[in-house]
Amino acid sequence: DIQMTQSPSSLPASLGERVTISCRASQGISNNLNWYQQKPDGTIKPLIYYTSNLQSGVPSRFSGSGSGTDYSLTISSLEPEDFAMYYCQQDASFPNTFGAGTKLELK
Amino acid sequence: QVQLKETGPGLVQPTQTLSITCTVSGFSLTSYYMQWVRQTPGKGLEWMGFIRSGGSTEYNSEFKSRLSISRDTSKNQVFLKMNSLKTEDTGVYYCARRVNSGYRYFDYWGQGVMVTVSS
Repeated sequence: DIQMTQSPSSLPASLGERVTISCRASQGISNNLNWYQQKPDGTIKPLIYYTSNLQSGVPSRFSGSGSGTDYSLTISSLEPEDFAMYYCQQDASFPNTFGAGTKLELK
Repeated sequence: QVQLKETGPGLVQPTQTLSITCTVSGFSLTSYYMQWVRQTPGKGLEWMGFIRSGGSTEYNSEFKSRLSISRDTSKNQVFLKMNSLKTEDTGVYYCARRVNSGYRYFDYWGQGVMVTVSS
């Protein structure tokens, strides 16, 4: 199975700050990388698919980039509703696998 | 609008069988792949398996022969059954829909159902 390593595991940040979360795959995944947000009530929603495509309805302050084994999610200016857990997921290889998550918290 | 909702037993004894139902609305199960994903304290988010729009299934080998996914399209329901439960199966179980475009990601998720495996 492909291992997905996310960093950092915890990210203290302030409103309006620009933040980046990284995800590294144990082998190349050819841009088959998705990002999800999980709120404290457990609700999960997609943010970015296939590395850099913004899911419908997701604010443009979210963006994704990367290639090969290294990918990132950037939030350009943090809003109060952005403080949540973030997970990367690869679907290049069966079974698809998730990163361990990054907790974005208010500094 | 698209909605998914899981219902399950809450508490299951070790060695017993877990049964969870995912009831969907706003789309047809014959047009989408439906996944089961769980979140446990020990392993985080794990993809468990899916049932294709045509009704065939694929499973994560991690769950070997313990897992079964099925559906009733007339009732708009997808089912998860997993036997030989262990305490480490405690967690939140989600059903999710995979987009039916060329991309492979989960565009709608249920709220999740908490399952505790304990005697």
